[in-house]
Amino acid sequence: GQNIDQPTEMTATEGAIVQINCTYQTSGFNGLFWYQQHAGEAPTFLSYNVLDGLEEKGRFSSFLSRSKGYSYLLLKELQMKDSASYLCAVSNQAGTALIFGKGTTLSVSS
Amino acid sequence: EAGVVQSPRYKIIEKKQPVAFWCNPISGHNTLYWYLQNLGQGPELLIRYENEEAVDDSQLPKDRFSAERLKGVDSTLKIQPAELGDSAVYLCASSLGGTLNTGELFFGEGSRLTVL
Repeated sequence: GQNIDQPTEMTATEGAIVQINCTYQTSGFNGLFWYQQHAGEAPTFLSYNVLDGLEEKGRFSSFLSRSKGYSYLLLKELQMKDSASYLCAVSNQAGTALIFGKGTTLSVSS
Repeated sequence: EAGVVQSPRYKIIEKKQPVAFWCNPISGHNTLYWYLQNLGQGPELLIRYENEEAVDDSQLPKDRFSAERLKGVDSTLKIQPAELGDSAVYLCASSLGGTLNTGELFFGEGSRLTVL
């Protein structure tokens, strides 16, 4: 089966850098996704990693280590609008659906 | 391009009443998903459709939940009868293909159900 762990809550200040960690245990691996979800809104896609290493996309970067079952999402130059829940997800064994973690609620203060 | 559309956005019912949620996926997306999201939790898969076929409904509580996607486009999720524990957000998502090797899920804004 799949097990995904990420911290429940994190806090940071504007302009800072924050790293949200995610560890996973899966019976098969077809990629790791990060989604952002503002309160009361739909989750929106941030990043996808299938190979080891860092993927950078503007202020957001995502890292994957398949051997360690570990990923992180790095947010730079934090803004108030980055306050949201960040969901780590892995594909099921067939690569046909996403299994989500419980999400990390990030609060950015001024 | 229109995103995934869901209705209603909010629904309040009394327990034992029926309720239905509707989803229209992004045009051309063959795969449609229904997820359940409880407060403070991540989405949990209920059912996945490839066109009009339910190819994974292993997590759908079939005693009270049903879903259909008759023409392979929009879909309806029904609960009958609703229980207090069904209070949650029901998210619909779609994707272009059956595998997520590079593609992503596009979510609707969800239907928030409150059962009193």
